Amino acid sequence: KNQVEQSPQSLIILEGKNCTLQCNYTVSPFSNLRWYKQDTGRGPVSLTIMTFSENTKSNGRYTATLDADTKQSSLHITASQLSDSASYICVVKTGSNTGNQFYFGTGTSLTVIP
Amino acid sequence: NAGVMQNPRHLVRRRGQEARLRCSPMKGHSHVYWYRQLPEEGLKFMVYLQKENIIDESGMPKERFSAEFPKEGPSILRIQQVVRGDSAAYFCASSPSRTGSLETFGSGTRLTVV
Repeated sequence: KNQVEQSPQSLIILEGKNCTLQCNYTVSPFSNLRWYKQDTGRGPVSLTIMTFSENTKSNGRYTATLDADTKQSSLHITASQLSDSASYICVVKTGSNTGNQFYFGTGTSLTVIP
Repeated sequence: NAGVMQNPRHLVRRRGQEARLRCSPMKGHSHVYWYRQLPEEGLKFMVYLQKENIIDESGMPKERFSAEFPKEGPSILRIQQVVRGDSAAYFCASSPSRTGSLETFGSGTRLTVV
């Protein structure tokens, strides 16, 4: 069964600290993995997209890693800011030729406190 | 570039009425995706369309829901005879190509069925 699981479900950190969010998936065949940030009441915003051959990709203070062998990804946030408070969603896309299937994790809710 | 435009932002319908949600993709994007986010749940894929074609509707409920992306004009997600369980945020995303490109999301339409 194709699934995407994220942990932790929620996280509270102090402003300025680093944190790492986890994503494990069982989706097959694998096409790519994306991380999105979704502010409350807003649409998701793309952070990174990683294909099978990519291990690490950075976007400012966000760094995503991918281990295609263990089917795990992480999103590391450096020097957190209050504006980082949001839900972070891991999405895995299959490589099916018959269509495009996206499998969403339920997200990690991050709260950054001063 | 105005981004992905969804309207209305909020829609209230009585049970049994029809709901029509519109999505105008970004300029140059010919691929449109619809997602639904139920309260307290993650995003779920509904349908993927290209101009005048439904590519993948595996996430669409079998009854009452339909989607189109005509040659001219926005993509429309239509829900007939709405029920309270249809209350959710409906997000549209667009991309310029089928694979390897991050989708851009709209701000969503929040449907409330009373």
